Amino acid sequence: GIQVEQSPPDLILQEGANSTLRCNFSDSVNNLQWFHQNPWGQLINLFYIPSGTKQNGRLSATTVATERYSLLYISSSQTTDSGVYFCAVELIWGKLIFGQGTELSVKP
Amino acid sequence: SAVISQKPSRDICQRGTSLTIQCQVDSQVTMMFWYRQQPGQSLTLIATANQGSEATYESGFVIDKFPISRPNLTFSTLTVSNMSPEDSSIYLCSVWGQGNEKLFFGSGTQLSVL
Repeated sequence: GIQVEQSPPDLILQEGANSTLRCNFSDSVNNLQWFHQNPWGQLINLFYIPSGTKQNGRLSATTVATERYSLLYISSSQTTDSGVYFCAVELIWGKLIFGQGTELSVKP
Repeated sequence: SAVISQKPSRDICQRGTSLTIQCQVDSQVTMMFWYRQQPGQSLTLIATANQGSEATYESGFVIDKFPISRPNLTFSTLTVSNMSPEDSSIYLCSVWGQGNEKLFFGSGTQLSVL
């Protein structure tokens, strides 16, 4: 089956720093999404990005489908950015396969 | 986006008992998905619930352990049966938003089995 690998597994930042999270996937996909799970467990959909680049405030994402990877950029990080970031790809219509996540901790 | 209400938000249960989790969506949807997140782990799909037909289970999950109901296009339940401590997890329901681009999740049910 398709493999979804995220790196790094853990990341500690000082408030205001920038970071890049990576997601590699082993097969062609029609759908790739980035999620943020806050410390209270709520999952928030950040981006739907099967290809190209999107930006939303301090966050942006780029997917290079031909090379099977996606990047999530966080600029000027804030303590509220802490949590786990997941990328997920669509295996069969409707079914997402999740990576293992990157746990981000932003220190004040 | 979709608004998904899930309850209970958390529960502590004794081994051998069962818990039914409810998921209500603010719009009609064809498919609803149930995921499990074990402590410190990623999300794993349990099953897909379609209205009017039996749920489709992923490898490693069976109907006897995780029976699912889907009585209409806005509601589903997942039951965790004959629980053991290994069932301690967060259980989440999810649906696709309009345009089937983004998947949205309920707030989850934190289950602890003693």
